[in-house]
Amino acid sequence: GPKVLQIPSHQIIDMGQMVTLNCDPVSNHLYFYWYKQILGQQMEFLVNFYNGKVMEKSKLFKDQFSVERPDGSYFTLKIQPTALEDSAVYFCASSLRQPETLYFGSGTRLTVL
Amino acid sequence: GDSVTQTEGLVTLTEGLPVMLNCTYQSTYSPFLFWYVQHLNEAPKLLLKSFTDNKRPEHQGFHATLHKSSSSFHLQKSSAQLSDSALYYCALSDTGNTGKLIFGLGTTLQVQP
Repeated sequence: GPKVLQIPSHQIIDMGQMVTLNCDPVSNHLYFYWYKQILGQQMEFLVNFYNGKVMEKSKLFKDQFSVERPDGSYFTLKIQPTALEDSAVYFCASSLRQPETLYFGSGTRLTVL
Repeated sequence: GDSVTQTEGLVTLTEGLPVMLNCTYQSTYSPFLFWYVQHLNEAPKLLLKSFTDNKRPEHQGFHATLHKSSSSFHLQKSSAQLSDSALYYCALSDTGNTGKLIFGLGTTLQVQP
């Protein structure tokens, strides 16, 4: 089936540094999402993105977070600067239309030291 | 706001026995309901999605019936297989149709020989 790729699978950085999480969505999909999952908790919506713009963001999407998809390349989540509480698994997802099935990547495990 | 409640934690079954994972939801409107399955180190994948015409979705022997009267979408299978061992998420679509999914905490199903 359709695949969403996330790079890297693991990332360890020091608090205060910048990190960029990369997502290669399904090729013809138009809607993109980021979810955050802290160990032992549910996946929580961060943000969705369509036609070059953020459509909706949750309260978890702090000012230090930003998303973009320059020229149809990777859909990225940037955190600058990082904080200890940003340690989590971040899942990217994409869909062709709304409401519609979301296809997820395997996640990037971010550890902030 | 919208929320999803699942059978929590770990469900352990012997191979061949029936499976039932509970999911109830709260929503102001009539959302779509989904079951996603996540095997170890893999991406969450769609297992089932509710239909608007009250048909019962089925996939890989699993089925779920949307009961609006009780706000439930329980996942069932008549006979568990070892390969069914995984983490199962119930989710509902945002009623504003922004495409985002709201997830439950997830239930780990462990099938033993």
